[in-house]
Amino acid sequence: GQQLNQSPQSMFIQEGEDVSMNCTSSSIFNTWLWYKQDPGEGPVLLIALYKAGELTSNGRLTAQFGITRKDSFLNISASIPSDVGIYFCAGSGGGADGLTFGKGTHLIIQP
Amino acid sequence: ETGVTQTPRHLVMGMTNKKSLKCEQHLGHNAMYWYKQSAKKPLELMFVYSLEERVENNSVPSRFSPECPNSSHLFLHLHTLQPEDSALYLCASSLGGRGREKLFFGSGTQLSVL
Repeated sequence: GQQLNQSPQSMFIQEGEDVSMNCTSSSIFNTWLWYKQDPGEGPVLLIALYKAGELTSNGRLTAQFGITRKDSFLNISASIPSDVGIYFCAGSGGGADGLTFGKGTHLIIQP
Repeated sequence: ETGVTQTPRHLVMGMTNKKSLKCEQHLGHNAMYWYKQSAKKPLELMFVYSLEERVENNSVPSRFSPECPNSSHLFLHLHTLQPEDSALYLCASSLGGRGREKLFFGSGTQLSVL
């Protein structure tokens, strides 16, 4: 089946720093999505991308749909304590396979 | 509050027990999903129901049995589970068509099989 490589696996940053993470796939996707999961909760959709090259923002978060359609990036500017959690990328080829999820990037903010 | 409610939040069961997980969505969606989340693994899709009809079953062992009595409710019946089935089980819902990728998840049931 399809697999997504998400990196980094974890990030230890200082409050106020910018964060970058990415996902790559061996397959072309028609849709890329980014979710965040807080401890003890289910993932929550942050950003959905539908077009190659698309750049979309949601507050301090910005995500891009790579032009090759095989990758996507998520940036968080000026991180704050509530940004802590696990960020998942997900991609869809539009077929019956549904979404393929990455393993997640665990964001930890050091005081 | 995502509009998707799962119960119970935590469940401990022996390998010979029978239990059920419940999910309810208040979003007017017409597709519902069961996912399994294990440590250091991607989310694994188990079952998909669209308009109350099961449209996908990713080779899940028969000890997991889903039920979708209507578009708002979804159950996962568990019996004779194995310790490796311990995981977080997430329910999700979505609209059909173009919006089907936008999943709304519940908080999950943390299952421990002893």
